[in-house]
Amino acid sequence: EAGVTQSPTHLIKTRGQQATLRCSPISGHTSVYWYQQALGLGLQFLLWYDEGEERNRGNFPPRFSGRQFPNYSSELNVNALELEDSALYLCASSLVPNYEQYFGPGTRLTVT
Amino acid sequence: KQEVTQIPAALSVPEGENLVLNCSFTDSAIYNLQWFRQDPGKGLTSLLLIQSSQREQTSGRLNASLDKSSGRSTLYIAASQPGDSATYLCAANSGYSTLTFGKGTMLLVSP
Repeated sequence: EAGVTQSPTHLIKTRGQQATLRCSPISGHTSVYWYQQALGLGLQFLLWYDEGEERNRGNFPPRFSGRQFPNYSSELNVNALELEDSALYLCASSLVPNYEQYFGPGTRLTVT
Repeated sequence: KQEVTQIPAALSVPEGENLVLNCSFTDSAIYNLQWFRQDPGKGLTSLLLIQSSQREQTSGRLNASLDKSSGRSTLYIAASQPGDSATYLCAANSGYSTLTFGKGTMLLVSP
């Protein structure tokens, strides 16, 4: 069974640009989560999608947004990139809400 | 607001030792607690999930316990090996499917 996949592996952007990160959950999983792991800040919850709807949002500005497609894959968009957005962005999925989360390998975003 | 603390921040042991990693959380109203390992620059690997109604879970050389009333969980690693070297993270699910993570314990097992 394939795990959670994310693309791209690395992404380099300039301040002010937009970044789009993609995630495919484990087959059969309906919930997708996004987390940010910035140096020195630890892992922080960003967004949770389930059945195509945004269910919960962490303490991040509105320029962090996303969506979940009918096939349950998900996209994270970060607008007006700032230097402090440089981080490892991790996607996770679970079979149902509030159950075990499985993580992908992450997308390393670097903003210059 | 849930806060998760992990002690120690770093641990170095010789191969073969048994060791305990500690995790504490401030809000005992949790759905479950998960333990993960993370290798440098990589994603997270789920190790164990303990539901709020459970006291412990075991997988191979790993055993995790949960004491909701005291807000504590421990991860016990038996007969440590160099391949166990990684950062270990605990995360509490306090609802809305949101995990709150500790900052992790960086473990180094030397041959």
